[in-house]
Amino acid sequence: KNEVEQSPQNLTAQEGEFITINCSYSVGISALHWLQQHPGGGIVSLFMLSSGKKKHGRLIATINIQEKHSSLHITASHPRDSAVYICAVRDYGGSQGNLIFGKGTKLSVKP
Amino acid sequence: DTGVSQDPRHKITKRGQNVTFRCDPISEHNRLYWYRQTLGQGPEFLTYFQNEAQLEKSRLLSDRFSAERPKGSFSTLEIQRTEQGDSAMYLCASSLDSAGELFFGEGSRLTVL
Repeated sequence: KNEVEQSPQNLTAQEGEFITINCSYSVGISALHWLQQHPGGGIVSLFMLSSGKKKHGRLIATINIQEKHSSLHITASHPRDSAVYICAVRDYGGSQGNLIFGKGTKLSVKP
Repeated sequence: DTGVSQDPRHKITKRGQNVTFRCDPISEHNRLYWYRQTLGQGPEFLTYFQNEAQLEKSRLLSDRFSAERPKGSFSTLEIQRTEQGDSAMYLCASSLDSAGELFFGEGSRLTVL
C-alpha cells in the first residue's frame, strides 16, 4: 500500500462543476503539498499546509491531521484547470528532503 | 525569469552514453532537490542539497548517478552508462529553507534508446 493515496485517479467534469480531489496518507507529516502538473511536465505548487484550510482564487485546500486526509476543491471549474493534481507529504519522522508523492489525479474539464 | 530553470528540456541518447542535466534554482534558495518521474507515476525523490552539501541520497540513486552543487547555486545531475530504464522526467525544485514552499522547474525529459 502506498503511503500517499489519491482518489479518484481520473476525473472528467463539465465546465462550471465543483470538483473535489482527495488525498489520504499513512505517515505522520509536518506538511502537505498540493501540486499541479500540466502536460509537458512543469509542476506548480498550489498549496502547502499543515493544518486547517487555505484558499487561493477558486482553489481551496483542507487538511484533517487526525484523520490523515486532505482535499483539494475547485469551484466553478474551467477547461484551463485540466491537469494532473498531485498530493505530496513531508514525512515528520523521515528526511527533511524526502517528499512522498501520490500518483496524481488527472482532471479533464470539458467546455 | 527568476524561476527554477532546467537544461536541457529534452535529451535523447543511446544506451551506454553519459548525460548531464543542469538546474538553476531561485537565487536565494538554499535547498535544491532532484526528483525522477516516470509516465503515470508521481515524482520520486533522488537527492537534495542544503547549499553545497548533499544531505541525502535515495536508494534510487545508483552509483551511475551523481549530483553536485559546487558553489551552492546551480546543480548538475549526471547519469553514466545510461540504461533504457533511466528514461524519465528529471525534475528539480528549490526552496528557501527546509520548511519553505517548493518551486519546480519544467523538468528535463530523458529518452534512452
